[in-house]
Amino acid sequence: GQQVMQIPQYQHVQEGEDFTTYCNSSTTLSNIQWYKQRPGGHPVFLIQLVKSGEVKKQKRLTFQFGEAKKNSSLHITATQTTDVGTYFCAGASNTGKLIFGQGTTLQVKP
Amino acid sequence: GEEVAQTPKHLVRGEGQKAKLYCAPIKGHSYVFWYQQVLKNEFKFLISFQNENVFDETGMPKERFSAKCLPNSPCSLEIQATKLEDSAVYFCASSNSRGGYTFGSGTRLTVV
Repeated sequence: GQQVMQIPQYQHVQEGEDFTTYCNSSTTLSNIQWYKQRPGGHPVFLIQLVKSGEVKKQKRLTFQFGEAKKNSSLHITATQTTDVGTYFCAGASNTGKLIFGQGTTLQVKP
Repeated sequence: GEEVAQTPKHLVRGEGQKAKLYCAPIKGHSYVFWYQQVLKNEFKFLISFQNENVFDETGMPKERFSAKCLPNSPCSLEIQATKLEDSAVYFCASSNSRGGYTFGSGTRLTVV
């Protein structure tokens, strides 16, 4: 079945360093979404990418969707302690359900 | 309201007992999804609804799990005869056709 792989599983950075998480799907996606989940919390929607090659920015966060619509990345510039959490990519299937990646847990040392 | 309301927050059941979880989606959102999160990170899709109709139930273990979304009532997910491996956080989410899920706070089910 359709799978979404995400790496790395964990990332520890010093505050101020950059962070990137990568997502790869076994099939072409209609769209890809990104979520952030704080420890003990629920996933919070960050963004949706639909077009091939799309790049979107939200302040220090940059999201990319690959040309083949099978991979995506999230890059955070100059991390802050408030960025701590687990970042999930999720690919939309043709029935609308999201297939989640395994998530990348970000720890930021002050 | 603008949030997805899930109840209860915590539920403890003895093995073999029934568990029932509730979810009130955001008004105006026509899609409801149930996910099971185990091992902190892994999300397993269970079922989705479009209004009160089952849209995709490919993730449901049908022998013991059932779900409904009836008009003017919260949606529900019921597990008959719970097993230890059902221990997880169950998230409900709703969305409109434009995508982007809004998740509830989840119900943590512990089967002992």
